[in-house]
Amino acid sequence: EIVMTQSPATLSVSPGERATLSCRASQSVSNNVAWYQQKPGQAPRLLIYYASTRATGVPARFSGSGSGTEFTLTISSLQSEDFAVYYCQQSSSWPPMYTFGQGTKLEI
Amino acid sequence: EAQLVESGGDLVQPGGSLRLSCAASGFTFRSYEMNWVRQAPGKGLEWVAYISATGSTIYYSDSVRGRFTISRDNGESSVYLQVGSLTVEDTAVYYCAKQITRLTSAPFDVWGHGTMVIVSS
Repeated sequence: EIVMTQSPATLSVSPGERATLSCRASQSVSNNVAWYQQKPGQAPRLLIYYASTRATGVPARFSGSGSGTEFTLTISSLQSEDFAVYYCQQSSSWPPMYTFGQGTKLEI
Repeated sequence: EAQLVESGGDLVQPGGSLRLSCAASGFTFRSYEMNWVRQAPGKGLEWVAYISATGSTIYYSDSVRGRFTISRDNGESSVYLQVGSLTVEDTAVYYCAKQITRLTSAPFDVWGHGTMVIVSS
């Protein structure tokens, strides 16, 4: 099973600052990584897929990078609505086991 | 607008079973792979099961294989999850989620609001 490890568990930042969230895969997953945002009481929302493609309607301040085992989600200038929990997910394993990271909580 | 609406969650005793439903609208349901993902209270996301667009290919996580059954009815635009032999560890919000394309590597672009399953005596 491919394990996805996110760091840090909690990231304290201020509005307007840049946030960098990391995700490491236990083995290569090529570019088959997605990032989701989840706010309290809501379903997850797809932000980035195939490591760097923004989903429809996602603001340009969100960007993703990486390949192989190291991936990064960057939020260039934090807005108040960005404070949430962020999960990475791999979709590379066969048969499919769409494992998620444990999440990074972005807080003020 | 694509939409998924889950139902069927309830309080159930250990060892019990439930059938969860997810009704889809706003997209051509029969063309997309579907999944169930769960989230225990205060915990992260855990993928549970996958079903291909035709229903011919199914996968499960190790934690539910042999106890849960995923199925779909393309005529009704619905996907189901029969959950059985439930333990307290199965207590969670259960989400259905659509994949963005027909590739198994595709991410989940549409999610329902979730339905809560509580396993307790």
